[in-house]
Amino acid sequence: KQEVTQIPAALSVPEGENLVLNCSFTDSAIYNLQWFRQDPGKGLTSLLLIQSSQREQTSGRLNASLDKSSGRSTLYIAASQPGDSATYLCAVKSSGGGADGLTFGKGTHLIIQP
Amino acid sequence: NAGVTQTPKFQVLKTGQSMTLQCAQDMNHEYMSWYRQDPGMGLRLIHYSVGAGITDQGEVPNGYNVSRSTTEDFPLRLLSAAPSQTSVYFCASSRTGMGVEKLFFGSGTQLSVL
Repeated sequence: KQEVTQIPAALSVPEGENLVLNCSFTDSAIYNLQWFRQDPGKGLTSLLLIQSSQREQTSGRLNASLDKSSGRSTLYIAASQPGDSATYLCAVKSSGGGADGLTFGKGTHLIIQP
Repeated sequence: NAGVTQTPKFQVLKTGQSMTLQCAQDMNHEYMSWYRQDPGMGLRLIHYSVGAGITDQGEVPNGYNVSRSTTEDFPLRLLSAAPSQTSVYFCASSRTGMGVEKLFFGSGTQLSVL
């Protein structure tokens, strides 16, 4: 059964810093990995989707990388801003996932201090 | 674009009451699903649908019913509410099924069962 772990559970950094959020998964036979952002009281917004054949995806100040063999993905946020404060979740699509193949991590709660 | 719309945003029920959580999407997506999000548990799949007239169970289906009579709508019915069903419920959709493409989420329904 696929398991997804996100470390750290919470992170607080000053504005302007570059930071990395981590996501690890136990079964490397994945189809894709998706990073989401969740604001308080809101739903999840998909940020980046990396297919298993890809190494990374970029969108603006966000860069997500995928290393299937080691079971790891990172979300790099450049020049962080207070508006980046949110919970970030990763989800893995695999044959060992849930009924829809997706397994979600529990998220990293990020606070960017002004 | 409205995207995925969920109603109501908040609901308080007494044990044994029934209710329907509404979900509608205007993106002509084939795949729709319901998740519940509980502290420390992450997102768990309740039911999903790969098209009108087709539904299937997720990880935690007991106590919930779904139907999909149109592409746009995917209501979730609580048959006899229990305190264990206190949670935040999210509806999600994607163009094709089973986590292959980006998932779009509604803003959630916060349900309390007393």
